[in-house]
Amino acid sequence: GEDVEQSLFLSVREGDSSVINCTYTDSSSTYLYWYKQEPGAGLQLLTYIFSNMDMKQDQRLTVLLNKKDKHLSLRIADTQTGDSAIYFCAERGASFQKLVFGTGTRLLVSP
Amino acid sequence: ETGVTQSPTHLIKTRGQQVTLRCSSQSGHNTVSWYQQALGQGPQFIFQYYREEENGRGNFPPRFSGLQFPNYSSELNVNALELDDSALYLCASSSGLTDTQYFGPGTRLTVL
Repeated sequence: GEDVEQSLFLSVREGDSSVINCTYTDSSSTYLYWYKQEPGAGLQLLTYIFSNMDMKQDQRLTVLLNKKDKHLSLRIADTQTGDSAIYFCAERGASFQKLVFGTGTRLLVSP
Repeated sequence: ETGVTQSPTHLIKTRGQQVTLRCSSQSGHNTVSWYQQALGQGPQFIFQYYREEENGRGNFPPRFSGLQFPNYSSELNVNALELDDSALYLCASSSGLTDTQYFGPGTRLTVL
């Protein structure tokens, strides 16, 4: 079956790095995504990684994928107060187009 | 380039009523997916439309139905509303069945 798990909460200080972790169960996952959701808003696509890659960097964001352990992480460098939000990991399997989401990690950045 | 838009922003209904939510896909996108996000949860897939046909469905009862129009905009209809239908309904569009999904701002539905 498909399941995506994330830790519920992360608190960091402004300027530190944040690392948000995600595990998934579907070994046929093709793409894995990170979305950001601010209060009362929809989902904003941050970045994604194809399953045959192990790392992707995009400005302050670094995604690491360990396909053997089915573990995905999102590192945000120099975290700012504007990064405070809920971050969702999502995976898409090979046979279907739907996204399966985790329950989200709430990131709180304090000054 | 216009992003994904949804209407209305908020809606309040009572149990047993019916509701229609609307979504306009991003320019150039022909695929629309709908998700339900209950409070404190991640979004759950409802169904997807591709070229006006339902292309897949999640674990939702038949009272959840949809349409896609020739201009690729879409509607989500929910009949016989229940209290548990209270949620944020998100629409996402993509330029193909397997392409990246871009989300709209959502419609907040409250069922009393």
